[in-house]
This record gives sequence, C-alpha cells and structure tokens, in this order.
Amino acid sequence: GAVVSQHPSRVICKSGTSVKIECRSLDFQATTMFWYRQFPKKSLMLMATSNEGSKATYEQGVEKDKFLINHASLTLSTLTVTSAHPEDSSFYICSARGTGGAVREKLFFGSGTQLSVL
Amino acid sequence: GNSVTQMEGPVTLSEEAFLTINCTYTATGYPSLFWYVQYPGEGLQLLLKATKADDKGSNKGFEATYRKETTSFHLEKGSVQVSDSAVYFCALIGRGGKLIFGQGTELSVKP
Repeated sequence: GAVVSQHPSRVICKSGTSVKIECRSLDFQATTMFWYRQFPKKSLMLMATSNEGSKATYEQGVEKDKFLINHASLTLSTLTVTSAHPEDSSFYICSARGTGGAVREKLFFGSGTQLSVL
Repeated sequence: GNSVTQMEGPVTLSEEAFLTINCTYTATGYPSLFWYVQYPGEGLQLLLKATKADDKGSNKGFEATYRKETTSFHLEKGSVQVSDSAVYFCALIGRGGKLIFGQGTELSVKP
C-alpha cells in the first residue's frame, strides 16, 4: 500500500541550530502535503499545507520564517525548523494526500519526528 | 470554528473487555468523521470513517456511528486485544479540506 516515509524519526539538537525533516511519498504522487505538530497529551495541530511548486499556506499563529516548508516535487516535502529553541521541541508529523488512481484524495501519514532542542 | 473533543486517557482495560472512547465534535455543516490509530513507533493510520449522518464505519472489530443529533462519533469494540494498545484520534474534515484532530486517547490493554 501507499507509504509515507518521514526522516529522521528522532533528532536532538542544540539551541540555535536548524533542523530539516523530510517527508516522502514512496509509491504515489502527492500534490498536497500537510505538516502537523503534536504536544504531549494534545491534539495534532495543523501547521501548514504544502502544495507542490508553490508557497505553503500557514495556519494562524505559525511563524513562516521559523518553519520553512519546501515542496519541490510530487514526492517530497521538507520542514526546516530554523534557529530551533527548546520551546520548538515537539513531535512533528507529515501527511500526504494522494493525487491519482487508487490513492486519490486519501491521506497517508508519516511516522513522525521527535525533535528535542537542548 | 470546527473542533473535536475526546475523552481523556489513558484508558486501561483487560483483554476481552468492552471498549468505548467518546468523541464529540463542533462543526459547520456536515463534516466527514474519522478515527485514526497510532501504534507505538508508527505513523497514523486510518481506522474507520463515516461521511454522513447515521453512517456506521467499521474495521478490525471497531465501530463508530455518525450521530448528528448528539454530534458524536464514539468508538466501540466488543472485545479488545493486547494488540489494540495504541493512541486513538478522532478527527473531522471541515471546510477547505483541513483535517482537525481531537487530542488523542491512549488505550492500554493488559493480558
């Protein structure tokens, strides 16, 4: 079945550094990908919607300059947390919406990335 | 705006017990409703869904019925197994196609 690969699964970084998280649709094309953030015992909060070849659409309250999203191809979107600080520590999950065929309009999720900023 | 509220966890049950995880929603119009499951170390997976009032979604022994009158979509299973231990998320798709999640309910099933 359709698989979304998210990498890395866990990252620990120093405050002030930048971290890039990749989200790949392995066997299907995804025009649209979504990035979520999950706090402990909290719901997944949509951060932004990423469309291939265009600028991402950010949800209210999400800093565009801090969370850079690039969707350069139909199978890859990246989230870069710039100048990370401890308050950015969280679980980040991506999802990809299938573009055609059997996966059209279906959502598939990555396994998430646990970011810890020291 | 649209929102989803789930019962707080963790929920701890013995194997073969009956499971109910409550979910209520607030939405404009008639959203599609979903239950997602996240097993330890894995990504979210769609468990079941319902797209209109009175629809019943079912999968792997789990069921949920779309109740418009009570704006609810409670998840049930008659006999849980240890392998059902996971975090369960209720969600809806509102206008604009955005998926909105509840806070998740952790289920732990003991042998």
